Amino acid sequence: ETGVTQSPTHLIKTRGQQVTLRCSSQSGHNTVSWYQQALGQGPQFIFQYYREEENGRGNFPPRFSGLQFPNYSSELNVNALELDDSALYLCASSQGLAGYEQFFGPGTRLTVL
Amino acid sequence: QQQVKQSPQSLIVQKGGISIINCAYENTAFDYFPWYQQFPGKGPALLIAIRPDVSEKKEGRFTISFNKSAKQFSLHIMDSQPGDSATYFCAASPNGNFGNEKLTFGTGTRLTIIP
Repeated sequence: ETGVTQSPTHLIKTRGQQVTLRCSSQSGHNTVSWYQQALGQGPQFIFQYYREEENGRGNFPPRFSGLQFPNYSSELNVNALELDDSALYLCASSQGLAGYEQFFGPGTRLTVL
Repeated sequence: QQQVKQSPQSLIVQKGGISIINCAYENTAFDYFPWYQQFPGKGPALLIAIRPDVSEKKEGRFTISFNKSAKQFSLHIMDSQPGDSATYFCAASPNGNFGNEKLTFGTGTRLTIIP
């Protein structure tokens, strides 16, 4: 059974650019959540996708957007990058909504210069 | 607005000792309280979780103590081992029937177990 995978591992962008991060959910999982983890902080919830529909969003501006595909993989897009967007971006998948454990991927380290 | 406060920020414990990490929450809608363990370069992994209908849950060397009236919960690691050295996060979520397992995390505790 393959776990949650994310790509790329590391990414360097400049302020104002756009970035797309990718996540492959664990086999059998239909729910994907994205989190931002700044250095030395706990992860912060960005949004969640359930069966290709957004199902909840944290306190992030609209320039953070996402997609979930029919195979339940997901993308996180960030437009107009700011220096404060530098962080580890974590994807977590689960079998469903209520009552299921979330399994985290290793994350994508984004650096904005 | 930080809804889950975690302490201490860092902790050094001797091998074989007890490691204790504390968390406090504000949102009374929270009803699911997991603890995650994160090693460098890895994503967080679920360690143990509790719901507010019990005051304690034990799994091996790991125990969660929960105090609903005080809105506090803590992780105890008994017989701490060097392999337990990692960053630990408490978290909370409103896990009602409508789902939406979005987790609110604490700021983390870096635990170091010394020989």
